[in-house]
Amino acid sequence: QVQLVQSGTEVKTPGASVKVSCKSSGYTFTAYYILWVRQAPGQGLEWMGRINPHSGGTSYAQKFLGRVTMTRDTSISTAYMELSRLTSDDTAVYYCVRGLGDTAMPARWFDPWGQGTLVTVSS
Amino acid sequence: QSALTQPRSVSGSPGQSVTISCTGTSSDVGGYNYVSWYQQHPGKAPKLIIYDVSKRSSGVPDRFSGSKSGNTASLTISGLQAEDEAEYYCFSYAGTYTWVFGGGTKLTVL
Repeated sequence: QVQLVQSGTEVKTPGASVKVSCKSSGYTFTAYYILWVRQAPGQGLEWMGRINPHSGGTSYAQKFLGRVTMTRDTSISTAYMELSRLTSDDTAVYYCVRGLGDTAMPARWFDPWGQGTLVTVSS
Repeated sequence: QSALTQPRSVSGSPGQSVTISCTGTSSDVGGYNYVSWYQQHPGKAPKLIIYDVSKRSSGVPDRFSGSKSGNTASLTISGLQAEDEAEYYCFSYAGTYTWVFGGGTKLTVL
C-alpha cells in the first residue's frame, strides 16, 4: 500500500539545524509532489513547502524562505526537509504528504500523510 | 500568504448537520477549484475527506459534502456521529506552487 514513513523524534538546541526524512513506498516516487506541513503544539496546520521529486524543483512558504531546504534522493525514494537556525517557535510535529492531481495541476489534494516527526527545540 | 479563515469551533447534536466555512480571497479559494478538507483526531495525522471542492475521498461517508461560493468554501457534515468529533482544516492552492491552510475548526458532538 502507499505509505510515507518519516524519521524519528529529534531534540535540538536553538541555532541548530534539523533534517527530517520521508521514505515513500507503494508508488512511483518521482510521479507525485511531496509537501511538508508542520503543526506546533495546540496549533493548526502550516504549509512549509513542496518538492517535485522528478525535477527536484521546490517552492517554499515565504515565512521559511532562507531557512528551509527540501531535497530528495530518488535512488531510495526519500524526501528530506532541513530547517536551519532553529528557535523554540520551531517546536512542532512535521509531516510529509503526497500530492495528487493531474498533468494540469499535479497537487490538487494530499494523501497519504506520513506519521509525523516531533522536533523539539530547547536549550 | 495569510491563513484562510475558519470558525474556531462548531458544535451539534448527534443526527444534526453542521457547516464549517473557509474564507479566503480571489487569489486562493476563489481563484481555483482546488480546495480540500482534512479531518484530524487528537494525536493523529490529518486525513483527506474532500478534494476539488466537493469530491469525497475513497471510503468517506456521503454524510460529508463540500461546496464553494465565491471566496468561501464550506464543509457540511450531516447526520452527525460521535466519531465526527475532530479538528477540520481547509487547504487551498494559492497560485505559483503555493498552498495555504485554514486555521482549523474544532467540531464538538454534544
